[in-house]
Amino acid sequence: SQTIHQWPATLVQPVGSPLSLECTVEGTSNPNLYWYRQAAGRGLQLLFYSVGIGQISSEVPQNLSASRPQDRQFILSSKKLLLSDSGFYLCAWRAGQLYGYTFGSGTRLTVV
Amino acid sequence: QKEVEQNSGPLSVPEGAIASLNCTYSDRVSQSFFWYRQYSGKSPELIMSIYSNGDKEDGRFTAQLNKASQYVSLLIRDSQPSDSATYLCAETPGGGTSYGKLTFGQGTILTVHP
Repeated sequence: SQTIHQWPATLVQPVGSPLSLECTVEGTSNPNLYWYRQAAGRGLQLLFYSVGIGQISSEVPQNLSASRPQDRQFILSSKKLLLSDSGFYLCAWRAGQLYGYTFGSGTRLTVV
Repeated sequence: QKEVEQNSGPLSVPEGAIASLNCTYSDRVSQSFFWYRQYSGKSPELIMSIYSNGDKEDGRFTAQLNKASQYVSLLIRDSQPSDSATYLCAETPGGGTSYGKLTFGQGTILTVHP
């Protein structure tokens, strides 16, 4: 069966520090992968998606970047965090058009 | 811009009642629709998917889709306090360049009180 792992679960980082969040999927190959952010009391905002190794599409301009170094690995990064980067970050994958996303457990990021 | 709108909350129902959650979407060629439940501090969990007009039932949950009117709804029968959560509606945009992206509504907070 397919599983998605995301870590860390919580993170408190100072403004200006770097960020690296990792997501891996098991039990499938060449999945479409997505990074979402959910600000407090807000909806889900799509940040990046990837349809294959090295293929990254950004949905909104921001202080973040994403990479996909391996088929089942998706990384969200920042060189210098801003206060506005605080939020709940979710990685997701999708088996196909008739299937919804399966989300990872999320990372709660607080920038202080 | 394609949008998904959910009925404003929060919604409060007594235990045992039917909770009705509604969602409208603007993309006329949307193909598939999903309902997610999100408990506070947790990631969203898929509870229902629907692709064809009509009703789809799964236990206490019924999803209803009306493509002509561009709305999708979720009914929760015999609501329990454990159903208290935020419910997110999502749709797959039409067209060949969506890359499987889902567009989410802003969510409706449901509280079921004993």
